[in-house]
Amino acid sequence: AQRVTQPEKLLSVFKGAPVELKCNYSYSGSPELFWYVQYSRQRLQLLLRHISRESIKGFTADLNKGETSFHLKKPFAQEEDSAMYYCALSPSGGYNKLIFGAGTRLAVHP
Amino acid sequence: ETGVTQSPTHLIKTRGQQVTLRCSSQSGHNTVSWYQQALGQGPQFIFQYYREEENGRGNFPPRFSGLQFPNYSSELNVNALELDDSALYLCASSQGVLNTEAFFGQGTRLTVV
Repeated sequence: AQRVTQPEKLLSVFKGAPVELKCNYSYSGSPELFWYVQYSRQRLQLLLRHISRESIKGFTADLNKGETSFHLKKPFAQEEDSAMYYCALSPSGGYNKLIFGAGTRLAVHP
Repeated sequence: ETGVTQSPTHLIKTRGQQVTLRCSSQSGHNTVSWYQQALGQGPQFIFQYYREEENGRGNFPPRFSGLQFPNYSSELNVNALELDDSALYLCASSQGVLNTEAFFGQGTRLTVV
């Protein structure tokens, strides 16, 4: 079965601390994976896509096929990073028909 | 360029009733996907419309149906509402079905009582 698991509902860190939001997936083929973010009172938006291999707002994510993981990392958290983060998998390619995890709320404290 | 807009922003319906939710896609976008987001969960894919035709469906019963119009706006219809249909309904639009980013609307909060 295709599934995305985010084991932490809440991750609480202090400003300047490293952040790692965990994402594990179950998929039989070659997945396309994404991280979406939702800031307070804003709509869901794309943060990054694994095939682009970009760093967005200091965040990076590496696809580990052996561990079926796609963890989101940032070396130094900022207060403005506080948001809801969703990991998503596309079984059909591209940005469509996404399978989302339940999300992790990141709270960065001053 | 206008973004994705959904209406209404929230509504309350009674169990057994029918509801129609609307989505105006972003200018130039011909593909609309609908998602249901229950409280505390991630969005779950309902179906997608591409150029007025259904182009894939998630694990939702037939009482969830949709339409896409020639201007690429879309409707989600839910018949025989159940309490578990209470959720945030999101639509996302994109230009094409493959490698172009999908942009989300702000959602419609449906409460079934």
